[in-house]
Amino acid sequence: KAGVTQTPRYLIKTRGQQVTLSCSPISGHRSVSWYQQTPGQGLQFLFEYFSETQRNKGNFPGRFSGRQFSNSRSEMNVSTLELGDSALYLCASSLTSGKEYEQYFGPGTRLTVT
Amino acid sequence: SQQGEEDPQALSIQEGENATMNCSYKTSINNLQWYRQNSGRGLVHLILIRSNEREKHSGRLRVTLDTSKKSSSLLITASRAADTASYFCATDENYGQNFVFGPGTRLSVLP
Repeated sequence: KAGVTQTPRYLIKTRGQQVTLSCSPISGHRSVSWYQQTPGQGLQFLFEYFSETQRNKGNFPGRFSGRQFSNSRSEMNVSTLELGDSALYLCASSLTSGKEYEQYFGPGTRLTVT
Repeated sequence: SQQGEEDPQALSIQEGENATMNCSYKTSINNLQWYRQNSGRGLVHLILIRSNEREKHSGRLRVTLDTSKKSSSLLITASRAADTASYFCATDENYGQNFVFGPGTRLSVLP
């Protein structure tokens, strides 16, 4: 079974631009969560999608948004990029929503904002 | 808010030795999970322990959970160079809807 894939793997953007990251979950998984990882803040939860609906949202500004499609693929968008948005963005899928299920993580998208 | 807090922040051992990492949390949980991350890559799930369990084993891994002390430990026995990675604990906040990860322990296993 193919793992979680994320595209692109690396991205360089300038301040003020916007970016869209993509995540394809493991086949059959319906829940997709997004995390931001930085050396200073560690792993922080962005949001979770299940059956095309946002189930939970972390404490991030409205510039961070996401969506999920009917095939469970998910995208996240960051508008008006700031230098502090430079991070590794990780996507994780699980069979269903709920925290008793393990999450399978993708390799991440490394975003650099200059 | 950070729930799990790993200790130590960094650990360096020789191959063959055992490595112990600890995780403390603040509120009651339903389960606690440990993950491994190799150098800037995605996380790999290691083990899940539920609040009504005290100990769990998986291969060379042993996880304990003490809900009275709100702490968990991960023991890796007979460590190998390939175990070099960062290890994170993740908890579900009390009736919360998302995982909260600790800052991680960076383990270096020297050959």
